[in-house]
This record gives sequence, C-alpha cells and structure tokens, in this order.
Amino acid sequence: EAGVVQSPRYKIIEKKQPVAFWCNPISGHNTLYWYLQNLGQGPELLIRYENEEAVDDSQLPKDRFSAERLKGVDSTLKIQPAELGDSAVYLCASSPSPSGEETQYFGPGTRLLVL
Amino acid sequence: KQEVTQIPAALSVPEGENLVLNCSFTDSAIYNLQWFRQDPGKGLTSLLLIQSSQREQTSGRLNASLDKSSGRSTLYIAASQPGDSATYLCAVYTGGFKTIFGAGTRLFVKA
Repeated sequence: EAGVVQSPRYKIIEKKQPVAFWCNPISGHNTLYWYLQNLGQGPELLIRYENEEAVDDSQLPKDRFSAERLKGVDSTLKIQPAELGDSAVYLCASSPSPSGEETQYFGPGTRLLVL
Repeated sequence: KQEVTQIPAALSVPEGENLVLNCSFTDSAIYNLQWFRQDPGKGLTSLLLIQSSQREQTSGRLNASLDKSSGRSTLYIAASQPGDSATYLCAVYTGGFKTIFGAGTRLFVKA
C-alpha cells in the first residue's frame, strides 16, 4: 500500500513570499494531521482533520497559516507571508480514525527554508 | 499540560551493545504511548505502540515498557547494529486526541 505522499520535498523561498505544501494521505484514512518539526525537536500539531472538517486547529497561527482538505482526501497547507522563523520541516500524517488505538503514518515531510 | 522528556538527548554506542532509551511524561492520563524512529530527512516510522492497559510490547530486537503510574517508558534495543542509527521519539496520545512528542534521542551505533 502506498504511504503518505508529500510535495515538494524541499522549498527555499524569500521572506514575505507565499508557500504551499501538499499531502496525499493513505487511501481510506479519514484523519489527517499537519505537524511542524523544528530542528532537534519533536513534531508539534498544527491542525487535525476528520474527513474535510478541521476539528483541531488551535495551534495553527491563523494570521499567516491556512489549510484545507477539500473532498476529505488531499490537503494543502499554506503560509502567506512566510517569515524567517517558519523554516522547519512540515510533516503530514494520516490514520484510519482519531481513536487512541490507531497509529499515525507519516510522510517524508517538506523541508522549508526561508531566507 | 502534558510534557514528554527523553533522556539521553544523544547516545553513541559500539555495535553489539544492548541499550535503553528513556521517556518520561508528566500526566499519566494517556490512551497509549508510541515509540517512533526517524531517519535523517525522512518522516517518522512507528516501532511499537503500547496501550494504556498494557505493560510492554516487543518487536524483534525491540522491547518497550510502560509504567503509567510513574510516567515512564523505556525502549530496549538488543544487540545494536549500525542500521539502528537514527532518532528515536517517544509520543503519548492524550485526551482531546492530541499526540505529544518528546524531542527524541539521537542514536549512533559504531561499526
């Protein structure tokens, strides 16, 4: 079975520019997560989707970050405008359900560098 | 607020050595605890998942234990190999469907 797919794998932009990341979860997984991982740290949740509904976006900086999951499958995370401090790895994960019994499957991440 | 701490932050061992990675968490009200492996430039791969009602899980050379009352988990790696070199992250799944990760232990196994 195909894993979680993310693109692009790497992105270098200048500050104040917009950037978008795309994620395709494992087929049939209703729950999708976007995480931010800074160097030397564990991932931190940005937003969680159940199908097309964002059920937890409390950690998403809504002044510059936005996300969507149209049709409850693929998802896009956008930053506009990007700041130097946004340089990090953005990880997408999916799971069959939000139940605590299920593990999350992670994509390879998008490594963002803001200059 | 749940906090997850991993000790040591980095570890270098010779090949063949048995080793223990430690994880502690501040709130014992968890649904489960997972150990993940992360290779450089890659995402996380789940190694072991321990439900809150369980005490340990085993997979090959890996054994993870969970002591909820003391807020501790250990990952035991037997007969370490250079291919085990990676970052190992501990994560707890809490009420409110949140997964809280530790910062990880960077392991280097020398051939």
